[in-house]
Amino acid sequence: AQSVAQPEDQVNVAEGNPLTVKCTYSVSGNPYLFWYVQYPNRGLQFLLKYITGDNLVKGSYGFEAEFNKSQTSFHLKKPSALVSDSALYFCAVRDLTGANNLFFGTGTRLTVIP
Amino acid sequence: KAGVTQTPRYLIKTRGQQVTLSCSPISGHRSVSWYQQTPGQGLQFLFEYFSETQRNKGNFPGRFSGRQFSNSRSEMNVSTLELGDSALYLCASSLAGYFSDEQYFGPGTRLTVT
Repeated sequence: AQSVAQPEDQVNVAEGNPLTVKCTYSVSGNPYLFWYVQYPNRGLQFLLKYITGDNLVKGSYGFEAEFNKSQTSFHLKKPSALVSDSALYFCAVRDLTGANNLFFGTGTRLTVIP
Repeated sequence: KAGVTQTPRYLIKTRGQQVTLSCSPISGHRSVSWYQQTPGQGLQFLFEYFSETQRNKGNFPGRFSGRQFSNSRSEMNVSTLELGDSALYLCASSLAGYFSDEQYFGPGTRLTVT
């Protein structure tokens, strides 16, 4: 069975500081990993994905994520947070041995303080 | 290119009624998935359609059904509505539904059951 954990419901960070949103996963086979962001009254927007290759993945809006197989983690990072980054962030996984639907974490609300 | 569109954006229904939600995927995308988002359960996969066939189904009762048309547009239907069906229903499309494909989400339909 596959699962995704986002251990922090809420992350607060000052504008201009680096931010990290944590994600760990559990799958039977090799994972495909995704990050999405949701703004109020909007659907989810794709940020980045890890399929294979370089463990550091760069995505939209200056976000990046590091895949760590030994720690089964895929943390989302940004060097300098903007107030406009405040939103709900979801980590998602696909298990290559299972069905191809996305399995989502519970989400982390990021608040960037001016 | 236009994004995923969903209609209607908001619905209020009474228990026992049935409802149909519509989704138009990004042009050229052949895979359409549906998700239910609630504060308590988070994002849960309902089903996926590809080339007018249901390819994958989540763990929801038979009251939830869907279909896909030859132009890839999709509808989902919920019969005999219950209070617990109140949720944001999100449609997502991808090019071919491969494991490596990211999904692009619509803004959702917010269903309220009274």
